[in-house]
Amino acid sequence: KAGVTQTPRYLIKTRGQQVTLSCSPISGHRSVSWYQQTPGQGLQFLFEYFSETQRNKGNFPGRFSGRQFSNSRSEMNVSTLELGDSALYLCASSYSGPKNIQYFGAGTRLSVL
Amino acid sequence: AQTVTQSQPEMSVQEAETVTLSCTYDTSESNYYLFWYKQPPSRQMILVIRQEAYKQQNATENRFSVNFQKAAKSFSLKISDSQLGDTAMYFCAFMNPDGSRLTFGEGTQLTVNP
Repeated sequence: KAGVTQTPRYLIKTRGQQVTLSCSPISGHRSVSWYQQTPGQGLQFLFEYFSETQRNKGNFPGRFSGRQFSNSRSEMNVSTLELGDSALYLCASSYSGPKNIQYFGAGTRLSVL
Repeated sequence: AQTVTQSQPEMSVQEAETVTLSCTYDTSESNYYLFWYKQPPSRQMILVIRQEAYKQQNATENRFSVNFQKAAKSFSLKISDSQLGDTAMYFCAFMNPDGSRLTFGEGTQLTVNP
């Protein structure tokens, strides 16, 4: 079974631009969660989608948004990029429910110049 | 809200020796899941072990085992017979009851020396 796939692996953007990251979950998984990892703040939860609905959201500004499609693939969008948005963005998928393990993708490294 | 604390930013161990990584957490929930993930230099987050809070028996996975103390809200990871490939950042994580969100600790960088 293929793992969680995140594209692109690397991105370089400038301040003020917007960016879209993609995550394809493991086949059969319906839950997709997004995390931001930075040296200063560590791993922080962004949001989670299940069956195309946002079920949980972390404490990030409205510039961070996401969506999930009917095939469970998910995208996250960051508008009006700031230098502080430079981070590794990780996506994880699961069958959903606390008994189920979240499996992570390799991440997208975003650099904002 | 849940919090997870890892008080050891860095640790090192000699190959073949045993090392224990500490983790404490705070929650008002009674049923939950705890995890240890490792993140090697490749940055791929890999599950090491999972513990269900309602199970008193400590989880084990080959060389990896946990010491789960529910009353003390402590969840430490023991790595036996350490190998060079165990060098990684290790994260302790708490899963919320609906399974939608992991709360991570700050991480412990483990280095296994030859």
